[in-house]
Amino acid sequence: EPEVTQTPSHQVTQMGQEVILRCVPISNHLYFYWYRQILGQKVEFLVSFYNNEISEKSEIFDDQFSVERPDGSNFTLKIRSTKLEDSAMYFCASSGDATYEQYFGPGTRLTVT
Amino acid sequence: GQSLEQPSEVTAVEGAIVQINCTYQTSGFYGLSWYQQHDGGAPTFLSYNGLDGLEETGRFSSFLSRSDSYGYLLLQELQMKDSASYFCAVSNTGGFKTIFGAGTRLFVKA
Repeated sequence: EPEVTQTPSHQVTQMGQEVILRCVPISNHLYFYWYRQILGQKVEFLVSFYNNEISEKSEIFDDQFSVERPDGSNFTLKIRSTKLEDSAMYFCASSGDATYEQYFGPGTRLTVT
Repeated sequence: GQSLEQPSEVTAVEGAIVQINCTYQTSGFYGLSWYQQHDGGAPTFLSYNGLDGLEETGRFSSFLSRSDSYGYLLLQELQMKDSASYFCAVSNTGGFKTIFGAGTRLFVKA
């Protein structure tokens, strides 16, 4: 069964450093998403991406964040200068249809020290 | 803005039926989804309602009333493995933005 993969599973970084979280969506999917979840809290929408551009973004997704689909398979989230409050689980998701089932990857746990 | 309300916690016994309600306020409503998340895991899709009515998928059913801004997830024949968090999520027009509720923690007892 096809699945979304994410690397690394855990990333530890110092405040102010840049991090890139990587995702490989399901190969025939066209819609891509990033979410984050602070431990014990709800899943928060960050950004959606379709046709090589951002479709929607939330208030959380400020200038420190960017997304890219550098090739036909990867989808990345970059945080330019990490803050302590960026510590969370980051989930990538993809779907074949914007209105329907989203398949989530296993997540990357980001710890900012 | 968008907001969703769902109970924080529900407890039920194995074999029983449980209903998790979700009310929402949003502009440009497109559809309501339900996701399950076990501790330490990723959300997994359970059901989607774009139109009013009931959708059934095995032991799980979901209902939507657009006029009441209300939906629910119905879990039948509860099993211990159903102990998890359940999130309702609304998608806006076009479906590009999905906002999750705070989640309902379901405890299934023997």
